[in-house]
Amino acid sequence: DAMVIQNPRYQVTQFGKPVTLSCSQTLNHNVMYWYQQKSSQAPKLLFHYYDKDFNNEADTPDNFQSRRPNTSFCFLDIRSPGLGDAAMYLCATSPYEYSTDTQYFGPGTRLTVL
Amino acid sequence: AQKITQTQPGMFVQEKEAVTLDCTYDTSDQSYGLFWYKQPSSGEMIFLIYQGSYDEQNATEGRYSLNFQKARKSANLVISASQLGDSAMYFCAMREGRRQAGTALIFGKGTTLSVSS
Repeated sequence: DAMVIQNPRYQVTQFGKPVTLSCSQTLNHNVMYWYQQKSSQAPKLLFHYYDKDFNNEADTPDNFQSRRPNTSFCFLDIRSPGLGDAAMYLCATSPYEYSTDTQYFGPGTRLTVL
Repeated sequence: AQKITQTQPGMFVQEKEAVTLDCTYDTSDQSYGLFWYKQPSSGEMIFLIYQGSYDEQNATEGRYSLNFQKARKSANLVISASQLGDSAMYFCAMREGRRQAGTALIFGKGTTLSVSS
């Protein structure tokens, strides 16, 4: 089955220690997104890639960066995690950027910062 | 003003009964998409149903339908014959058509559905 995969499902890191979350997809979609979802809140878009074109949301902190080495993979790097970065990180994909395109989500990575 | 409003923080229903989860939206775009997602406690965001502003609809399972009233700007999710596995958080989301609006899904605050036997 075509799907969006995220690894690891659970990640524990220490305050200030860089961490990388990974996402892969077998849907062959052009667009990949990273959302941050804090406890009891709705997901919030951090950035997305349309193919290799990176698009950052205006209020995404500089501490968050992303890489997309090929169509299938996308990474979220948190350079110096703070306690406030503890959250669920959701990767999603869609065929294009149209408003009618469904975004398909992976299972998420739950990040704990100690 | 909120773009997506879900006024029911929690809903309770018995197994096999139907339930309606409310969603209203606010946009001035002619072209937009409305989506419902289910998020169980495991965290995965599962796509349920889509409604386009031009009346096209796409549901993933026959038990889900969307009551779309464009003039009222409402897009309520109807789950028929509730099952225990339907217990989860449900998010209504919108994506606007203008390029300036970006590509983000705008989510409501969610409704927690609890199904009892």
